[in-house]
Amino acid sequence: SYVLTQPPSVSVAPGKTAGISCGGNSIGSLNVHWYQQKPGQAPLLVIYNDNDRPSGIPERFSGSNSANTATLTISRVEAGDEADYYCQVFDTHTDHRAFGGGTKLTVL
Amino acid sequence: QVQLVESGGGVVQPGRSLRLSCAASGFIFSNFDFHWVRQAPGKGLEWVAFTSDDGFYEEFRESVRGRFIVSRDTSRNTLYLQLNSLRPEDTAVYYCARHRAGGSLDHWGRGTLVTVSS
Repeated sequence: SYVLTQPPSVSVAPGKTAGISCGGNSIGSLNVHWYQQKPGQAPLLVIYNDNDRPSGIPERFSGSNSANTATLTISRVEAGDEADYYCQVFDTHTDHRAFGGGTKLTVL
Repeated sequence: QVQLVESGGGVVQPGRSLRLSCAASGFIFSNFDFHWVRQAPGKGLEWVAFTSDDGFYEEFRESVRGRFIVSRDTSRNTLYLQLNSLRPEDTAVYYCARHRAGGSLDHWGRGTLVTVSS
């Protein structure tokens, strides 16, 4: 099975930039998607296809994907960004179906 | 607007069965593929199953293959997940989610809790 590896936690001060990594074998060849989940809520898609934002997601959220690492970047972090973030792939050409283990973003 | 509402969760003994439902509205149900995703208490997201728009193609994670069944009723705009031979490790909130081209899950329900315990 395909494994996606995320750091358990990331901390950042308000107004700064947070980066959350997602490691996977040749992940750069796959479409990577990112979800935000706040306590007691369902996950929310914030980035799809590496770096596209759904309607309503602030431009502060962006993504990149190359080689063996995908990254979610949140600029000008706000207190409301504090949440768990998950990367995900579901590739119809391979058997790669997985979520990363999740990263808890703490805003200091 | 797009809405997905799960139901059918509850407390069930190991070895028993349960059927979850996911009622869809606000879009053309038959045009979309769907996923089931679960989250054990305090844990991360875990992909469980996928069903194609016409219901003819399905996939399951290895740990549930042969025990869980996915179906859909287009006349009711409803997706189902039949959980058989339940184990304590199946305890989780189960979410249904709509599949978007490229593999993302663009809309999620609020989930329904399944607790497997004697």
